[in-house]
Amino acid sequence: DTAVSQTPKYLVTQMGNDKSIKCEQNLGHDTMYWYKQDSKKFLKIMFSYNNKELIINETVPNRFSPKSPDKAHLNLHINSLELGDSAVYFCASSQAGGGYTFGSGTRLTVV
Amino acid sequence: DQQVKQNSPSLSVQEGRISILNCDYTNSMFDYFLWYKKYPAEGPTFLISISSIKDKNEDGRFTVFLNKSAKHLSLHIVPSQPGDSAVYFCAAMRGGSNYKLTFGKGTLLTVNP
Repeated sequence: DTAVSQTPKYLVTQMGNDKSIKCEQNLGHDTMYWYKQDSKKFLKIMFSYNNKELIINETVPNRFSPKSPDKAHLNLHINSLELGDSAVYFCASSQAGGGYTFGSGTRLTVV
Repeated sequence: DQQVKQNSPSLSVQEGRISILNCDYTNSMFDYFLWYKKYPAEGPTFLISISSIKDKNEDGRFTVFLNKSAKHLSLHIVPSQPGDSAVYFCAAMRGGSNYKLTFGKGTLLTVNP
């Protein structure tokens, strides 16, 4: 039973399209995150939600919009995709300062 | 602005020997440090952590050392095993940051049989 699951695992799409990545955790954690691993391999935080409330919003284009319908889900919607959005996106969850549990990642390729 | 640096992109060691992975940080406000291990096509998995009030934490074959004055930490794996071959990420957190982790670029460890 996967603790943090994200779908799809791979996503290939054309520039200008709108796409969503879904994430669900069954650990009962209060906090969920989206991280981006770019071509330089850096893992950088994008957003964090605690009990459905946005608590971290890094400098991310407003084409990226997170949505948390409940504390077990954090989805990422991306509008007007650009070539530079190609990366691996990781969802994660944690409980009050504990270590993160990451999903297996979504490799997004924009062509 | 790289606040967490792993200056060795790769490291190769023989099975049974010690692996030492290094990490430096610049932000003196960081007070909690973690190591994550990542296999290809998988998400990072938590390995070991250390609070800034300690200088050493040990868990089986894995030991993390923290030198606050030098802003340096290291992960020791003894003895190294082929299954340890993976990318290791150093990460840091500061209190009051809503648990935001700042990661290094990672070091690819290869343990040769």
